[in-house]
Amino acid sequence: AQSVTQPDIHITVSEGASLELRCNYSYGATPYLFWYVQSPGQGLQLLLKYFSGDTLVQGIKGFEAEFKRSQSSFNLRKPSVHWSDAAEYFCAVGAGDDKIIFGKGTRLHILP
Amino acid sequence: DTGVSQDPRHKITKRGQNVTFRCDPISEHNRLYWYRQTLGQGPEFLTYFQNEAQLEKSRLLSDRFSAERPKGSFSTLEIQRTEQGDSAMYLCASSPNRALEQYFGPGTRLTVT
Repeated sequence: AQSVTQPDIHITVSEGASLELRCNYSYGATPYLFWYVQSPGQGLQLLLKYFSGDTLVQGIKGFEAEFKRSQSSFNLRKPSVHWSDAAEYFCAVGAGDDKIIFGKGTRLHILP
Repeated sequence: DTGVSQDPRHKITKRGQNVTFRCDPISEHNRLYWYRQTLGQGPEFLTYFQNEAQLEKSRLLSDRFSAERPKGSFSTLEIQRTEQGDSAMYLCASSPNRALEQYFGPGTRLTVT
């Protein structure tokens, strides 16, 4: 069965510092992978997605993610975070039946 | 703006009451999904529609839950005889055809007292 693991429940970084959020997935075939962001009390916004091709994908708001098949990982990165990036981030994997399985999320805190 | 909309945004109800939520997807999106999100968890799939046909239901969707999409446009999710464990955020998403790129609404937060 498909699953997603986000090992870090909370991450705190200083404004201007670099960020990496970890994501590991379990899926038998080539996965469809996503990162979503959720601000408090809001729905989810798609940051980026990987379906095939270049394993380094660029998203909105300056985020990028790298698909590493050998490590079953799809980590999210940003070179310099802004206070407005404080939110909850969800990694997700899509299966052939069009259903998306989400991880439990990582809450990002930004120090001024 | 023609994003996904949900109504109401918040609902407080007493245990045992019935509630109904509405979702209006992005126009021309054939697929509509319902998810439930509890505190500290990611969204969990409940069910989805292709046009008016309900194609899959999760085991999370007990017989107290029913969803409809009668004309292939908006959808409703009804919970009968609510229980405190039903307290959660209910999220709706839509996507075009078989695309996996889903666009989410703001959610309906349900509190059962």
